[in-house]
Amino acid sequence: GAGVSQSPSNKVTEKGKDVELRCDPISGHTALYWYRQSLGQGLEFLIYFQGNSAPDKSGLPSDRFSAERTGGSVSTLTIQRTQQEDSAVYLCASSLKGRDRPLNEKLFFGSGTQLSVL
Amino acid sequence: QKEVEQDPGPLSVPEGAIVSLNCTYSNSAFQYFMWYRQYSRKGPELLMYTYSSGNKEDGRFTAQVDKSSKYISLFIRDSQPSDSATYLCAMSEDQAGTALIFGKGTTLSVSS
Repeated sequence: GAGVSQSPSNKVTEKGKDVELRCDPISGHTALYWYRQSLGQGLEFLIYFQGNSAPDKSGLPSDRFSAERTGGSVSTLTIQRTQQEDSAVYLCASSLKGRDRPLNEKLFFGSGTQLSVL
Repeated sequence: QKEVEQDPGPLSVPEGAIVSLNCTYSNSAFQYFMWYRQYSRKGPELLMYTYSSGNKEDGRFTAQVDKSSKYISLFIRDSQPSDSATYLCAMSEDQAGTALIFGKGTTLSVSS
């Protein structure tokens, strides 16, 4: 497809388990972002990848959270030892760095992964 | 004080009404301002983008930025039931890839 693809769309897990969330960005997009959206909250920035640069991990809430982006394309967000407060929608977005326009002019979001930690 | 404040609503209006959505912010370094629309169970999609102060119009939508007051607005004219969604403001300091800071979103319902 032409859009950002995230899988799974829903994930239910038990407290203490590890989970992996996948994001397939739009082909050719150099920037990839992970955000978290909790009920009644805005989008909370987690991590940002741009090309071959070191990722900006400043938004990761704890060391239980990590993310990789392999080959400049697909990204995986891993949450270890999940807690109930990790329950949220995890959104991935990608964008294309245009030569004559701002990098973050247009983020294309996936539909998200709804994570429920019981 | 959070960096970006946005009234969550919900806001209910009849079809055809003019809708005003607003955000305030505290970081005077913000220069890029955006409005995203999010339908239920979908990711946000970019509606409007503005650099620095001023107005921008696109069809029924007008975005305004007042940097002196640290206040941005989105106006929707002739609102339609299809406009029913959550509207999120977002802003950033520069274009070098700094992550966007989002408001919590305002839920709008337009009744026919």
